[in-house]
Amino acid sequence: DTGVSQDPRHKITKRGQNVTFRCDPISEHNRLYWYRQTLGQGPEFLTYFQNEAQLEKSRLLSDRFSAERPKGSFSTLEIQRTEQGDSAMYLCASSSQGTSHTEAFFGQGTRLTVV
Amino acid sequence: GESVGLHLPTLSVQEGDNSIINCAYSNSASDYFIWYKQESGKGPQFIIDIRSNMDKRQGQRVTVLLNKTVKHLSLQIAATQPGDSAVYFCAEKSYAGNMLTFGGGTRLMVKP
Repeated sequence: DTGVSQDPRHKITKRGQNVTFRCDPISEHNRLYWYRQTLGQGPEFLTYFQNEAQLEKSRLLSDRFSAERPKGSFSTLEIQRTEQGDSAMYLCASSSQGTSHTEAFFGQGTRLTVV
Repeated sequence: GESVGLHLPTLSVQEGDNSIINCAYSNSASDYFIWYKQESGKGPQFIIDIRSNMDKRQGQRVTVLLNKTVKHLSLQIAATQPGDSAVYFCAEKSYAGNMLTFGGGTRLMVKP
């Protein structure tokens, strides 16, 4: 296992289109997080899963955003009717319930550009 | 709302010198404070954390200091190397929650 994997690494889309990102966490990690990061800023929390259950959602996660983790393994983040303000790096992280939950491991992110 | 922030946006140091990166926080309920390193094109990488009932914790070449009286957190890097060049974020986590709240980042530049 090489860590948290995100796909695609880069996505350019036209405003109004829908996009979907995938995250594959470290295999034994049952906790999965999505964050959004804009240039020069720290990551902002979007949502959190424990196994397949989505337990927390930020108010940043508008109704155009939806995240799923159907089998408690990989997760998808979908953005519908994209807007230019959605342009950002979308980061996924995972951690194990059995270890310090501050030591989340991040993927390399998906950079979204909405034109 | 409550937030975590940083004093200096850019820090430039000579290779071999020690670096100190500072962070101010305002959430008294934070249970953990964490430092992450982010290199260009990569996700944040965990460096070290400290629990709120501690005031100092040491790792390999790094030391984190926590001053709860003035709500201040610092990361000290000993013998800074070119590979330490990156953006450093402090983050906090409350015991009751699962999300991390990040500050805005400090860019560390190491001059050879």
